[in-house]
Amino acid sequence: AQRVTQPEKLLSVFKGAPVELKCNYSYSGSPELFWYVQYSRQRLQLLLRHISRESIKGFTADLNKGETSFHLKKPFAQEEDSAMYYCALSWGGSEKLVFGKGTKLTVNP
Amino acid sequence: NAGVTQTPKFQVLKTGQSMTLQCAQDMNHNSMYWYRQDPGMGLRLIYYSASEGTTDKGEVPNGYNVSRLNKREFSLRLESAAPSQTSVYFCASSGNRGSNEKLFFGSGTQLSVL
Repeated sequence: AQRVTQPEKLLSVFKGAPVELKCNYSYSGSPELFWYVQYSRQRLQLLLRHISRESIKGFTADLNKGETSFHLKKPFAQEEDSAMYYCALSWGGSEKLVFGKGTKLTVNP
Repeated sequence: NAGVTQTPKFQVLKTGQSMTLQCAQDMNHNSMYWYRQDPGMGLRLIYYSASEGTTDKGEVPNGYNVSRLNKREFSLRLESAAPSQTSVYFCASSGNRGSNEKLFFGSGTQLSVL
């Protein structure tokens, strides 16, 4: 079965420090990977998806099929990046997304 | 520009009571979903509807029923609420079938079952 693992429940960094939120997946075919973010008291929203190969709010994520990973990175964290981050997987044209359990990022001043 | 609208935002039920969570989207999306969000569990898919008139079970369907009333609306019903159903419920929608367009989420319904 398809699965997404986010090994860190909580991650705390200082402002200006690099941050990496880990995501590993299990799927033997060609997956589509996403990062969703939920800021305090706001709805979940898409941060980025791997097929777009874009950088949003300074975040990037590269799909590594060899390591089955899709880690989210930002070189210099900001306090406004504090939020809950979810990695998600879709496959084979499925309408469904499977989510990881989420990582709560706190950026301290 | 409403997007996905869920009602109610908050609800408290007693064990055994029933209720329906409403969801509507105005983006002409084919697919709609119900997820529940629990601490340490992430988001888990309850039911989804790939198109009007079709519904399918997700990962955690037990204790729930859904209705895809029309293209806009997708409701989630708890027939006999249990404390284990205390959660935050999110409705979402997405575009064309098979396109894997991103999900648009509602703002959530916080449900407590006493």
